Amino acid sequence: EVRLVESGGGLVKPEGSLRLSCAASGFIFSSYNMNWVRQAPGKGLEWVSSISSSSTYIYYADSVKGRFTISRDNAKNSLFLQMNSLRAEDTAIYYCARDLARQLWFDPWGQGTLVTVSS
Amino acid sequence: AIRMTQSPSSFSASTGDRVTLTCRASQGISSYLAWYQQKPGKAPEVLIYGASTLQSGVPSRFSGSGSGTDFNFTISCLQSEDFATYYCQQYYSYPRTFGQGTKVEIK
Repeated sequence: EVRLVESGGGLVKPEGSLRLSCAASGFIFSSYNMNWVRQAPGKGLEWVSSISSSSTYIYYADSVKGRFTISRDNAKNSLFLQMNSLRAEDTAIYYCARDLARQLWFDPWGQGTLVTVSS
Repeated sequence: AIRMTQSPSSFSASTGDRVTLTCRASQGISSYLAWYQQKPGKAPEVLIYGASTLQSGVPSRFSGSGSGTDFNFTISCLQSEDFATYYCQQYYSYPRTFGQGTKVEIK
């Protein structure tokens, strides 16, 4: 069974940092691109960042560029999102999701981890 | 960035109704469009990709059409489990962008 499990969310003060993880299982992790998508409370979906299977290509939304860093460890089947200089508007559920070259839609998604930025 | 605009934002319907949602891209995206369903407290799930291809295991009452800038998503006979929020998403280019969602509520 393909499974993605996020962790690392929590309450953090403005300007603080947090590192999210996504543990993958049930598929060949190193063959897939990976993504982070977030959803603010009661709001829609916002793509955050993508990383290619071998980390060659990395993309960020303008809203997080320069503050967030996506990375992966294919040996440990894990995806990460280092979030620095956090703002109140970064408060959201963060989902990881996979995609595949030539099959670029997101499937599946993890259950999400909640990040709350508040003083 | 390509802007995705869904309409309506929400509407009420009854079980058994045929419903059609629309999604418009601010520029052509060929057929690089997916539709996701999200239920409260759950992660989104893909229903349609390539604008019209049904994801494996998804009931045939769901369908999608369109290419370029205008897309439709149809539920032929609404079931109780279909009350949810639906999002379109383009994967033609980065940044990936989603529509704002259409919430289908019970009338």
